[in-house]
Amino acid sequence: QQNVQQSPESLIVPEGARTSLNCTFSDSASQYFWWYRQHSGKAPKALMSIFSNGEKEEGRFTIHLNKASLHFSLHIRDSQPSDSALYLCAVETGGYKVVFGSGTRLLVSP
Amino acid sequence: DMKVTQMPRYLIKRMGENVLLECGQDMSHETMYWYRQDPGLGLQLIYISYDVDSNSEGDIPKGYRVSRKKREHFSLILDSAKTNQTSVYFCASSPRRVGSDYTFGSGTRLLVI
Repeated sequence: QQNVQQSPESLIVPEGARTSLNCTFSDSASQYFWWYRQHSGKAPKALMSIFSNGEKEEGRFTIHLNKASLHFSLHIRDSQPSDSALYLCAVETGGYKVVFGSGTRLLVSP
Repeated sequence: DMKVTQMPRYLIKRMGENVLLECGQDMSHETMYWYRQDPGLGLQLIYISYDVDSNSEGDIPKGYRVSRKKREHFSLILDSAKTNQTSVYFCASSPRRVGSDYTFGSGTRLLVI
């Protein structure tokens, strides 16, 4: 049974700061990893995905995956108030199923 | 614009009443999902549907059943709702292809009193 844990539970950062969100998983055979973002009262939306070890950058966002340590992370450069949201990491477990973490609530203060 | 549509957005039911939550998608995705979201627990999978009449239990199926008679439509049914089923329910869809993003609907906020 895949176990996905996120840290921290919540985070407050000033505008312009670099933000780091963490996710650990338990199944070393996992191959597909995502970060979803959910603004208050809205649907979760896929932000970025990574399918192989290493880093992937898209604009201000970077995912880093280390399968050996069962860890992946999301880094936000130059955080903006519009980045304030619940961030959910997700790991595919097989059978087209995905397990979500419980989320990190990010608040970027102006 | 590709989307997943959920109805209703808000619902208040009394304990013991039956509840029907509906979800539609216009992307011809084979796979559809029902999740519930509670504070501190993230998204928990209730049921997954791989196509019409091909449904499978998720992690928390007790107290729920589903129906999928058309590829674009997936219903969640609560027979005799309980107060602990108060939650936000999200429907999602994805192509039946590994590594595919999920597209979520806007959710149904259900209050069982």
